[in-house]
Amino acid sequence: GQQVMQIPQYQHVQEGEDFTTYCNSSTTLSNIQWYKQRPGGHPVFLIQLVKSGEVKKQKRLTFQFGEAKKNSSLHITATQTTDVGTYFCAGWEYSGAGSYQLTFGKGTKLSVIP
Amino acid sequence: DTEVTQTPKHLVMGMTNKKSLKCEQHMGHRAMYWYKQKAKKPPELMFVYSYEKLSINESVPSRFSPECPNSSLLNLHLHALQPEDSALYLCASSHEGHTTDTQYFGPGTRLTVL
Repeated sequence: GQQVMQIPQYQHVQEGEDFTTYCNSSTTLSNIQWYKQRPGGHPVFLIQLVKSGEVKKQKRLTFQFGEAKKNSSLHITATQTTDVGTYFCAGWEYSGAGSYQLTFGKGTKLSVIP
Repeated sequence: DTEVTQTPKHLVMGMTNKKSLKCEQHMGHRAMYWYKQKAKKPPELMFVYSYEKLSINESVPSRFSPECPNSSLLNLHLHALQPEDSALYLCASSHEGHTTDTQYFGPGTRLTVL
């Protein structure tokens, strides 16, 4: 079955430093989505990548989708305390007969030291 | 209105109880989802309803029984649960249930099974 690995599991950064989390799938993904979950909160959709090699930016956040559509990354420039939370990638894989399987990565928990 | 509401916020039940979790959205979405999230783990997809029909059932035990009375409501009926079923149960909705849809999550119901 599909496996989606996400590293690192935890990341502690000083405010102002950059942060990157990586997602790797064992199979080719149809598309990948990124979510942020604040402590005690629920996942909030950030962005979706569909095309091979796609790069999207949202202010200080940069998202990339690999050429083979098996890996993705989220990079935050100059982290702020408001960036604290767990970042999840979620990949949809076509599993045949018109069906798709959704798998979340284990998440990267970001702590920002003021 | 981009809100998904869930009731109750917290639920404590015994292993012989029968209870229901409720989810509601008024965004006109035609797909609704149930997820289970254990502490420090990613959400795990349980069920997907598309146009009020069950389209994905991720091999969930029969003690969890989903119901979609109409396109705005989604229930999860619980019966004879085990302590290991204690978790945050998240509901989400999306436009039509395509893999490229944005999913909007509710705040969740925190379930404790004694």
